[in-house]
Amino acid sequence: AQKVTQAQTEISVVEKEDVTLDCVYETRDTTYYLFWYKQPPSGELVFLIRRNSFDEQNEISGRYSWNFQKSTSSFNFTITASQVVDSAVYFCALSEESNTGKLIFGQGTTLQVKP
Amino acid sequence: DGGITQSPKYLFRKEGQNVTLSCEQNLNHDAMYWYRQDPGQGLRLIYYSQIVNDFQKGDIAEGYSVSREKKESFPLTVTSAQKNPTAFYLCASSSGQGINLEGHGYTFGSGTRLTVV
Repeated sequence: AQKVTQAQTEISVVEKEDVTLDCVYETRDTTYYLFWYKQPPSGELVFLIRRNSFDEQNEISGRYSWNFQKSTSSFNFTITASQVVDSAVYFCALSEESNTGKLIFGQGTTLQVKP
Repeated sequence: DGGITQSPKYLFRKEGQNVTLSCEQNLNHDAMYWYRQDPGQGLRLIYYSQIVNDFQKGDIAEGYSVSREKKESFPLTVTSAQKNPTAFYLCASSSGQGINLEGHGYTFGSGTRLTVV
């Protein structure tokens, strides 16, 4: 069965610290997609990144970077020099095996960045 | 700009009352989804629809009903059979299925917070 695990329920850091949010997934598919979304206090989930299973290149976007490792089924997200505006709930998600377009979400990690 | 509109933003329901949450999209997406979010439990799928006039139950469909009469609209009714409806409800849409998921995967609405009074 497919599963996404975000073991860190809550993380608290001080501004300018680096922080890594972990995501471990389980799937039998050889082709799949992984996503990260950010949910600020306003509630709407905002897309951050989409990664195809056949593309293991790490990606950097400004202060954000993602480390995809198929060997360990992990897709971790690092924020460098965190800012108060990064405070939010972050969700990792995996495309479902049955080709329905459904996404399987992790439990979410609440990140609090203190000034 | 294209997007998903959920209304109302806040909704209060009395015991034994049915309420309907609205979800409208102008992205021309085929698939639409309803999720429920409770503190510490992530997102749980209630219902989804991959095409007009068709929908399937998700993981927690009991006490909910949906319709998909138009491509743009996917309203969710929380019935009196739902014993614990207080939660944050998110609607989402996508253009693809499975390995054809495009771009952002899902586009989300801003949510409806339902409270039983």
